[in-house]
Amino acid sequence: DAKTTQPTSMDCAEGRAANLPCNHSTISGNEYVYWYRQIHSQGPQYIIHGLKNNETNEMASLIITEDRKSSTLILPHATLRDTAVYYCIVRGNSGYALNFGKGTSLLVTP
Amino acid sequence: DTGVSQNPRHKITKRGQNVTFRCDPISEHNRLYWYRQTLGQGPEFLTYFQNEAQLEKSRLLSDRFSAERPKGSFSTLEIQRTEQGDSAMYLCASSLVPPQAPEKLFFGSGTQLSVL
Repeated sequence: DAKTTQPTSMDCAEGRAANLPCNHSTISGNEYVYWYRQIHSQGPQYIIHGLKNNETNEMASLIITEDRKSSTLILPHATLRDTAVYYCIVRGNSGYALNFGKGTSLLVTP
Repeated sequence: DTGVSQNPRHKITKRGQNVTFRCDPISEHNRLYWYRQTLGQGPEFLTYFQNEAQLEKSRLLSDRFSAERPKGSFSTLEIQRTEQGDSAMYLCASSLVPPQAPEKLFFGSGTQLSVL
């Protein structure tokens, strides 16, 4: 599975959009981009995934560049409860383990 | 609650003792994963089961670690002769894997192990 690169940490003001970038320049055609987040003392939580097209659900939007080498997770109106570590993971259907890396620590401030 | 359940939530043990953790996945989920997470790091894959078969093990899973999933339902992770380096959060996740489709993992809250 392709490796990903994320910033170590980011800040966002409450109520503003949080845009979390992820680089995955070695992604192959059949690999999906997944995002999970982990709030302190809890297990990771699935947020969203995408292959080529942009995706939106009740939690977030995922924007994938046309060349698929990078993506951005958007939390449209961040709340204090969105403070967490966000993991961007690339994985194909034939792969087994999700490899999490260190993720981006997002701090939402009042 | 129908999520992934892990017990115990916390375990303190002395070096050299054996410990066992239990994971109850979401009902009907056919895959079950074990991960380990240390402070400041992301979760690291240990092993996974497809129904009752253990299909992959990480090289992180030393001979002192053993996992089972009898009857393809709950799973146990045992660590024998614990060492201080085993101190970590042990996470369990389950998923239902349809063919040719992305897989979403559902995680439990983990078991925090402290080896003194």
